[in-house]
Amino acid sequence: SQTIHQWPATLVQPVGSPLSLECTVEGTSNPNLYWYRQAAGRGLQLLFYSIGIDQISSEVPQNLSASRPQDRQFILSSKKLLLSDSGFYLCAWAARNRGQDQPQHFGDGTRLSIL
Amino acid sequence: AQSVAQPEDQVNVAEGNPLTVKCTYSVSGNPYLFWYVQYPNRGLQFLLKYITGDNLVKGSYGFEAEFNKSQTSFHLKKPSALVSDSALYFCAVRESGYSSASKIIFGSGTRLSIRP
Repeated sequence: SQTIHQWPATLVQPVGSPLSLECTVEGTSNPNLYWYRQAAGRGLQLLFYSIGIDQISSEVPQNLSASRPQDRQFILSSKKLLLSDSGFYLCAWAARNRGQDQPQHFGDGTRLSIL
Repeated sequence: AQSVAQPEDQVNVAEGNPLTVKCTYSVSGNPYLFWYVQYPNRGLQFLLKYITGDNLVKGSYGFEAEFNKSQTSFHLKKPSALVSDSALYFCAVRESGYSSASKIIFGSGTRLSIRP
């Protein structure tokens, strides 16, 4: 069966420091991958998605970037964190080329606090 | 443009009573609809989806959802609520048009609280 891993689970970083959050998927090939941010336990904001290695689309302009160096690895980065980058970051995957009804499957998230 | 609306921020139900979490949608073309549940400090878990066919869709943990095309609704239901059902629930719709990105648009969430 497929699984998705995110780490770390929690992270406290000072303003201006760099960031690297990692997400890996097991048990599937060539998935679509997504990064979301959830503020205050409410709605999800799609940050980035990827349909293949080195193919990244950004949904909103921001201080963050994403990379996909391997088929099942998705990384969220920042060179200098801002206070506004605090939040709960969720990675998700979905099967590609299996119809339009494929759900997304989520990792357990990283709670990021910026001091 | 596609959208989903969850009109209730919070729903409170007594244990053993039936529950309904409301969702309405707006899409062009055929809707692909989903429900997810989120427990504290966890990711979203997929509950069920509607593609086509029967208007009553059954999913995980005893949940079901009723698709109503004329009312553009996709309400989540359960005949008998459990305290463990207390969580944040999201309705979602697949973005219209063919795209290999398979993006999903989420509602704002409804917090379900089941009292013993």
